[in-house]
Amino acid sequence: GAGVSQSPRYKVAKRGQDVALRCDPISGHVSLFWYQQALGQGPEFLTYFQNEAQLDKSGLPSDRFFAERPEGSVSTLKIQRTQQEDSAVYLCASSSRDRDYTIYFGEGSWLTVV
Amino acid sequence: GDSVTQMEGPVTLSEEAFLTINCTYTATGYPSLFWYVQYPGEGLQLLLKATKADDKGSNKGFEATYRKETTSFHLEKGSVQVSDSAVYFCALSDGDSNYQLIWGAGTKLIIKP
Repeated sequence: GAGVSQSPRYKVAKRGQDVALRCDPISGHVSLFWYQQALGQGPEFLTYFQNEAQLDKSGLPSDRFFAERPEGSVSTLKIQRTQQEDSAVYLCASSSRDRDYTIYFGEGSWLTVV
Repeated sequence: GDSVTQMEGPVTLSEEAFLTINCTYTATGYPSLFWYVQYPGEGLQLLLKATKADDKGSNKGFEATYRKETTSFHLEKGSVQVSDSAVYFCALSDGDSNYQLIWGAGTKLIIKP
């Protein structure tokens, strides 16, 4: 697609509920990233994929967070047993060598845990 | 480790004023430098970038020059508009691990008519 697409744009979850956030990167982009952005702060790195391989998951805050990209294209970020501190915007981004590795972001999935 | 420092906000200006948002960095390698903008309620958009020393990135009237001697990448615009109101983030990607962006804290810009 023309840009990075994320869904849902907005999600309200009850505490303890599981959520799944989807990211469709720019077509042909090998690299895919997930970031978490709390209100009024800059993005915090969560995880990085190169094709289907998850090369870095050092930013995932707990084992309740899980990301996958099984076919090297669409990615899903799953949060189990959500807690209030998980409320944030989850940003997906992608990049490729053909575009100088510049990282392009989606509009984000805004998660509110109540 | 690598880091980015940008001026604290909010920065409040009148329409048509000159804008400077300072950004300095520390890096061990040869980073690429970026300015991203986030409009209210939206995601991050790449505003401009520079990949080597003395490069000037420009877009939508904004400019920034990669200054290796002062390790800076200040964002400038000659005449701001109300529609420029947003949060501006300076970031770098290190040549060794350029898949990960190092971010400044962001500077909120408010333009009054």
